[in-house]
Amino acid sequence: TQLLEQSPQFLSIQEGENLTVYCNSSSVFSSLQWYRQEPGEGPVLLVTVVTGGEVKKLKRLTFQFGDARKDSSLHITAAQPGDTGLYLCAGAPDFGNEKLTFGTGTRLTIIP
Amino acid sequence: SAVISQKPSRDICQRGTSLTIQCQVDSQVTMMFWYRQQPGQSLTLIATANQGSEATYESGFVIDKFPISRPNLTFSTLTVSNMSPEDSSIYLCSVVGDRNNYGYTFGSGTRLTVV
Repeated sequence: TQLLEQSPQFLSIQEGENLTVYCNSSSVFSSLQWYRQEPGEGPVLLVTVVTGGEVKKLKRLTFQFGDARKDSSLHITAAQPGDTGLYLCAGAPDFGNEKLTFGTGTRLTIIP
Repeated sequence: SAVISQKPSRDICQRGTSLTIQCQVDSQVTMMFWYRQQPGQSLTLIATANQGSEATYESGFVIDKFPISRPNLTFSTLTVSNMSPEDSSIYLCSVVGDRNNYGYTFGSGTRLTVV
């Protein structure tokens, strides 16, 4: 069974600060996705990383896929209250296998 | 990418009863996925619903408890049967929304409370 451990589980910081969320596994994934979920809604895809060592930027969010494709990180610069939510990483075991394994989740609160 | 309409958005049910959750997609999709999200936790896959064949259930989930229908390529239902308070969760359906980035699209979820 492939497991994805996220850390920290909870994070509460002041607006304007930077933060990093980690997603770690002992298994290799063909791709890894990051989602954000707000209360009363389903998760919304932020990014997909596919290549080991890949770095993608989405405005103030920077996503990195580990060289061995077992881990990933999400870095947020100058956090804003709108960044508040549950962040989930999710891995796909193989290309063509569309069953995702979701990480344990990081609940982020940005204090104005 | 696909748009999913899921209903009901929430319900409070008596133990021992059943609830059927519906998901309608605005485009034809091969596979639909049903997830459970227990309070404060991440998502756990219940089953994969393919049109024209039996759903494939993950370990710990059985058809008698969570029967699934998939009558066509745009619609699926999940029934939570003989409910107990332990079934109180958010239930979500999803599809592969964009094959170019492997991303999933999710319904907005059904928040179920069993009393």
